[in-house]
Parts: sequence; C-alpha cells; structure tokens
Amino acid sequence: AQKITQTQPGMFVQEKEAVTLDCTYDTSDPSYGLFWYKQPSSGEMIFLIYQGSYDQQNATEGRYSLNFQKARKSANLVISASQLGDSAMYFCAMREGRGAGKSTFGDGTTLTVKP
Amino acid sequence: DAGVIQSPRHEVTEMGQEVTLRCKPISGHDYLFWYRQTMMRGLELLIYFNNNVPIDDSGMPEDRFSAKMPNASFSTLKIQPSEPRDSAVYFCASSFVRHYGYTFGSGTRLTVV
Repeated sequence: AQKITQTQPGMFVQEKEAVTLDCTYDTSDPSYGLFWYKQPSSGEMIFLIYQGSYDQQNATEGRYSLNFQKARKSANLVISASQLGDSAMYFCAMREGRGAGKSTFGDGTTLTVKP
Repeated sequence: DAGVIQSPRHEVTEMGQEVTLRCKPISGHDYLFWYRQTMMRGLELLIYFNNNVPIDDSGMPEDRFSAKMPNASFSTLKIQPSEPRDSAVYFCASSFVRHYGYTFGSGTRLTVV
C-alpha cells in the first residue's frame, strides 16, 4: 500500500482564492511527521510546512496551513489568497519514527493559479 | 549559508561511463539524503547518512550505484557503469532536526545516452 497518497494530479485556482491540496497517509507508527514541499518549474524543492503526529494544533506558516485530521489520516495543505507564484508541483511527505531520518513522498499535485 | 550545493547541475554521458555526483550539505546538518526523481517513479530515496554513516541504502537500485560520505561536508553518488535508465534528476538534501523539513540542493540532471 502507498504510504502517501495525493489523489489530485492537477488543480486550478483563481488568483486570490484559497485552495486545498489533499494528502492521505498510512502508518502504524504513533510518532511521525508530515511535510509539504513546493517544486516550481525551475526544479528546486522548497520546504513549506511541518505537522507532528502529537501536535494538538494545525500548523500554519504565513499563507500555508495544514489541515491535520489524525483519525482520517489526512494532512491537507491549504493555501490562502493564491498568487501566480504559487503555480508549482506540491508534494506531501511523511517521516516515520522519532528521528530526523528518511521521508516518503507522494506523487505530487500540480497547481495552476489563473489570473 | 549557501545552502546545499550539488555539482554538476547537468551531466550528459554515454552509456557505460562512470558518473560521479557531488554534494556539500549545510554545515551542522547531521543527516544527508540522496533522492532520484523521474516522471515514472516520482521521488525515490536512494540512501541516507546520519553523522556520515550510511543508515539505509535499500533504495539503491543495484550494485552499479554507490555512495560515500567521507566527512560531514561532502558526499558522492557514483554510478558505474551508467545506463540510459539512470537518466533522472538526482537531489541531495540535508536536515538536522525532526520537526523541520529537508533543505534540498538544486539537483543534478543526468542524461545517459
């Protein structure tokens, strides 16, 4: 079974609107971390936001927030007030265990922001 | 800090040749990862190190691939002999705390013809 599932290959959003990118995960480890990364067309990978499995509150970083629903094993990324520069591929990732070791990545969602 | 530095940015080589990719992690980061990205397989972890010691190399495709980290500031990924199916973007990344994401290098785009 896939550990990270991103069911939306592509998404469109109007500039200035909010958009939600879906991510579900599968693990039996009680300790894990969830991450989102952005990959613009230039190719670099940029870390956006982190959510720990024991965190009580949803993580936020500027216009990014992570909608963490532990019972449903979902970790959706919400981007508020979309900008043209948000057009990119977005990857959800999970790191299991207590260390800072390896992450497993989903297949990604391509977001296109329309003017 | 200059970030994670990878070289070369692009590499075109002929099948059968040896290829060496290089990575300098961020100073103070004690984890280093090598990932490969292709359209077909997405982002795959090849190997990762903690404090210069290889921890998990289960993602290394076969014996043609090898990786070393002789010190905290340098790592190499070697492919010998290279094959066309090795064509991909190879990323190096480093990290130091569990609650923060990786810092990725710019990647090396490898083309084997």
